[in-house]
Amino acid sequence: RKEVEQDPGPFNVPEGATVAFNCTYSNSASQSFFWYRQDCRKEPKLLMSVYSSGNEDGRFTAQLNRASQYISLLIRDSKLSDSATYLCAVRGAAGNKLTFGGGTRVLVKP
Amino acid sequence: NAGVTQTPKFRVLKTGQSMTLLCAQDMNHEYMYWYRQDPGMGLRLIHYSVGEGTTAKGEVPDGYNVSRLKKQNFLLGLESAAPSQTSVYFCASSYVHTGELFFGEGSRLTVL
Repeated sequence: RKEVEQDPGPFNVPEGATVAFNCTYSNSASQSFFWYRQDCRKEPKLLMSVYSSGNEDGRFTAQLNRASQYISLLIRDSKLSDSATYLCAVRGAAGNKLTFGGGTRVLVKP
Repeated sequence: NAGVTQTPKFRVLKTGQSMTLLCAQDMNHEYMYWYRQDPGMGLRLIHYSVGEGTTAKGEVPDGYNVSRLKKQNFLLGLESAAPSQTSVYFCASSYVHTGELFFGEGSRLTVL
């Protein structure tokens, strides 16, 4: 089993709709969780950190479920510009290494 | 502010050739990383460094060597390139004890 797993998608989303997807992790001792966004043929960039209490940044909401060992990302009122691959990243207890999932591709269509 | 710079951006090698990828960061970050990204595989950590003069193995270190002689530079070497090393390589850096990685633009390597 991979340490961090994501549904590769693609999630085809009508413009203005809401989309949500999860990322599961296998190490219960994992400390920190993040969502990165990667545009086609570009480098990943941090979208948001995921806190235990959940957090929201504009149209984006991230949640952490430690009991079931997954994090989620919800995008409301999807824009065409939200089309990208969303990578989750998990930092373990041992140090500053981040382990990435394979990414979830989101395509927002008019 | 350049951030993280990788050179070269593109390279084509023949099997058995050697090469070095250079990563330079100007943010005074302690930690630096080399990842490779393959379709459907996400980012996989090759090697990383927690400070000048230190290196450590990541998830997929075989076939690669690294050096961190200066804090701002992290070199990734391929001594004898193989077709399985065809990939996009990303360098990243971060402050200590923070999860945000700052990535370079990537280096596309093709091994024929």
